[in-house]
Amino acid sequence: IEMTQSPSSLSASVGDRVTISCRASQSISRNLNWYQQKRGKAPQVLISAVSSLQSGVPSRFSGTGSGTFFTLTITSMQPEDHATYYCQQSFSPPYTFGQGTNLEIQ
Amino acid sequence: VHLVESGGGLIRPGGSLRLSCATSGFTFSSYSLNWVRQAPGRGLEWVAYISSSGSTIYYAESVRGRFTISRDNVQNSLSLRMTSLRAEDTAVYYCARAYGGNAYFDFWGQGTLVAVSS
Repeated sequence: IEMTQSPSSLSASVGDRVTISCRASQSISRNLNWYQQKRGKAPQVLISAVSSLQSGVPSRFSGTGSGTFFTLTITSMQPEDHATYYCQQSFSPPYTFGQGTNLEIQ
Repeated sequence: VHLVESGGGLIRPGGSLRLSCATSGFTFSSYSLNWVRQAPGRGLEWVAYISSSGSTIYYAESVRGRFTISRDNVQNSLSLRMTSLRAEDTAVYYCARAYGGNAYFDFWGQGTLVAVSS
């Protein structure tokens, strides 16, 4: 299953609403997860099963979608959100990741 | 929950290496585990999966036949045996725990760097 994210890079100002898209090459039901990776660090899960916010993740992050199209939204960009974001399908192996979206502060 | 990878280093093409992932803070035998790698400046690539009992194993096409994932439910450790290494295997290798029916990766190690070069 191929996962395609868009855009591959994005620049946003503090307070902006940011949306990242992820498309699966076939239906993955709700087995879609989002990870955040800051430079030099291991990835951390933000959202599992499309929309379940992980403990400790700010409520400005949210996820929607089903089937083949999914989105990650940050309602109000903060400086600490500067990172690379990956979607991942856990529907069937190989558990593929999207190519990543590099989110920068403008 | 802690996962700590070790065993990375510089290895020549065609060589072999064994990575380990030591864990603590959870009931090891209850969770499936994965290896994920990241080449320098590149994205995440899932490498291998092993179920909680070790009875189910999956590999990425890029490593199948060369890498072997295994676990020791007594020592609470995960391993990745890598053979016939290629330059394109150069990456930071992470171990990651899978959680729940959705099997998302909820805890990750800090990674260990494998560099394949002559």
